[in-house]
Amino acid sequence: GQNIDQPTEMTATEGAIVQINCTYQTSGFNGLFWYQQHAGEAPTFLSYNVLDGLEEKGRFSSFLSRSKGYSYLLLKELQMKDSASYLCAVSLSSMDSNYQLIWGAGTKLIIKP
Amino acid sequence: EPEVTQTPSHQVTQMGQEVILRCVPISNHLYFYWYRQILGQKVEFLVSFYNNEISEKSEIFDDQFSVERPDGSNFTLKIRSTKLEDSAMYFCASSEAQLLRGPSDTQYFGPGTRLTVL
Repeated sequence: GQNIDQPTEMTATEGAIVQINCTYQTSGFNGLFWYQQHAGEAPTFLSYNVLDGLEEKGRFSSFLSRSKGYSYLLLKELQMKDSASYLCAVSLSSMDSNYQLIWGAGTKLIIKP
Repeated sequence: EPEVTQTPSHQVTQMGQEVILRCVPISNHLYFYWYRQILGQKVEFLVSFYNNEISEKSEIFDDQFSVERPDGSNFTLKIRSTKLEDSAMYFCASSEAQLLRGPSDTQYFGPGTRLTVL
């Protein structure tokens, strides 16, 4: 089966740094996505990792270790608007079909002043 | 910036009725997807579509579901006989084909249709 684990909820302070972890055990792996989802809204793309290492994009960075089945999303200089759920999703691939995204349950991040 | 659009934003229907959810993917994208998210739960893959046919579907996507690309711009999800448990947010997504890496590209999501089955 496919399994993606993330913490259910995290709390951080405005201006601080927070790291949201994601571990996965999937049959097949094409890449890992991080999405942000505000309540009642659609997921919006944050980052995509295919190779091991760190991808930096402004205040957000994402890390992947394929051998460990592990990723994290790092958010710096937290702002109140960063309060949202952060979804880890693994892209599966197979030889003769499209890939599909398998989603974690999401980590609800609460930012306090 | 191009975006995926979905209509309606909210659909209320009676159990047993048919509903059609509509999506307009980003114009140069070739891969299309439907997902659903029951309130408070994780996003779940339903189906992917490429070259006018279903390429993958999940266990959720049973005979009551169908998808269609009736013209060059719309992508629809039909639920033939809705059940109470079909109440959820339905998201359409699309991605651009990448010939070098295969369809391993970012999926961009529409704003969703909230389906309420009474």
